[in-house]
Amino acid sequence: GAVVSQHPSWVICKSGTSVKIECRSLDFQATTMFWYRQFPKQSLMLMATSNEGSKATYEQGVEKDKFLINHASLTLSTLTVTSAHPEDSSFYICSAHGPRGYEQYFGPGTRLTVT
Amino acid sequence: KQEVTQIPAALSVPEGENLVLNCSFTDSAIYNLQWFRQDPGKGLTSLLLIQSSQREQTSGRLNASLDKSSGRSTLYIAASQPGDSATYLCAVRFRGGSARQLTFGSGTQLTVLP
Repeated sequence: GAVVSQHPSWVICKSGTSVKIECRSLDFQATTMFWYRQFPKQSLMLMATSNEGSKATYEQGVEKDKFLINHASLTLSTLTVTSAHPEDSSFYICSAHGPRGYEQYFGPGTRLTVT
Repeated sequence: KQEVTQIPAALSVPEGENLVLNCSFTDSAIYNLQWFRQDPGKGLTSLLLIQSSQREQTSGRLNASLDKSSGRSTLYIAASQPGDSATYLCAVRFRGGSARQLTFGSGTQLTVLP
């Protein structure tokens, strides 16, 4: 149990376009999900906390108008990278708290490459 | 500032060795600490979670300890195998901030040589 999926697993887009990444909790409901970004050989950096039915909370330095988060249901959060640039190329990982509430389960990640 | 540090950044050992990965954190007021494994280009797999009231957790060949007062945790891997090669991440849920937010260390990249 407590499986989190992400779609797509990898995406290549042209500079200036927007791309949407989905994060789903498959067998449990998640009122809170988290979006992380990971650059090569670096650790995960929290970008924002996604709350079902309300606005996301962004970490300092993360542009909320560039990284749009929508948590429309208890099993789905989406991250849209708007007007993507090559420096947005990264590995994006989402997570959600499992049924017991204190353990985070992570999705498999999405590799974004902006050309 | 609440930070998590992992040493060493990389470690290479021959198959069969027992090894210890280290994690330190700057604030002893924590909810829990979690060890993850990450294979290249993949997401995170949770290995062990230690609540603040616990001293250690075991799963198979893995044993994680927690010493809150000194701000340290260790992940012990017994009889290492080439399949253990991966990056190991330590993450702490600190009190005082968002109760659900994890702060990650930079990871230890482990290579077990056959």
